[in-house]
Amino acid sequence: DAGVTQSPTHLIKTRGQQVTLRCSPKSGHDTVSWYQQALGQGPQFIFQYYEEEERQRGNFPDRFSGHQFPNYSSELNVNALLLGDSALYLCASSPTEVQQETQYFGPGTRLLVL
Amino acid sequence: LAKTTQPISMDSYEGQEVNITCSHNNIATNDYITWYQQFPSQGPRFIIQGYKTKVTNEVASLFIPADRKSSTLSLPRVSLSDTAVYYCLVGDQRDYKLSFGAGTTVTVRA
Repeated sequence: DAGVTQSPTHLIKTRGQQVTLRCSPKSGHDTVSWYQQALGQGPQFIFQYYEEEERQRGNFPDRFSGHQFPNYSSELNVNALLLGDSALYLCASSPTEVQQETQYFGPGTRLLVL
Repeated sequence: LAKTTQPISMDSYEGQEVNITCSHNNIATNDYITWYQQFPSQGPRFIIQGYKTKVTNEVASLFIPADRKSSTLSLPRVSLSDTAVYYCLVGDQRDYKLSFGAGTTVTVRA
């Protein structure tokens, strides 16, 4: 049983560009959350998707948007990239019946903005 | 959300027990305490969760005093592969997001 998978593993962009990151949740999971982790810091919550809707959002600007598909996979889109958007982007999935604090994380996508 | 305070780093040797204490003075009645482990270039991994007293699983033990204002993660007989960042999280299970602090970097030496 595959765990949470993310693509691509690494990405280099320049300021002002747009990027799309992808996530496939663990089998049987229907909830997907996205986190941003800057170097040396803990992950910061961006938003969570459930039933193809954004259920909760952290303190991130509207440049960060997402989508969830009927098969529960998800995309994170970031527009007008800034140097400060360079980070590891983590996707986490969970089944709705499990306590929310036990989320399963993918390996992340490392984004570098030049 | 209850704020947590934990040491920035800890050093240990193989075979020793490592205890990481997390302070959460303003923990709320509905809050649970959860610990995650993160290796370099990987996502965090759930270790253990508790509400009060003691919880033990195959990986670690979690000790929570009666006032719940702190908790201690205990890793028995650590090995080199236990070198990682350990995060203490406190939150209401009805809250969908996980709130991570800076974590504790544990380095295990031979």
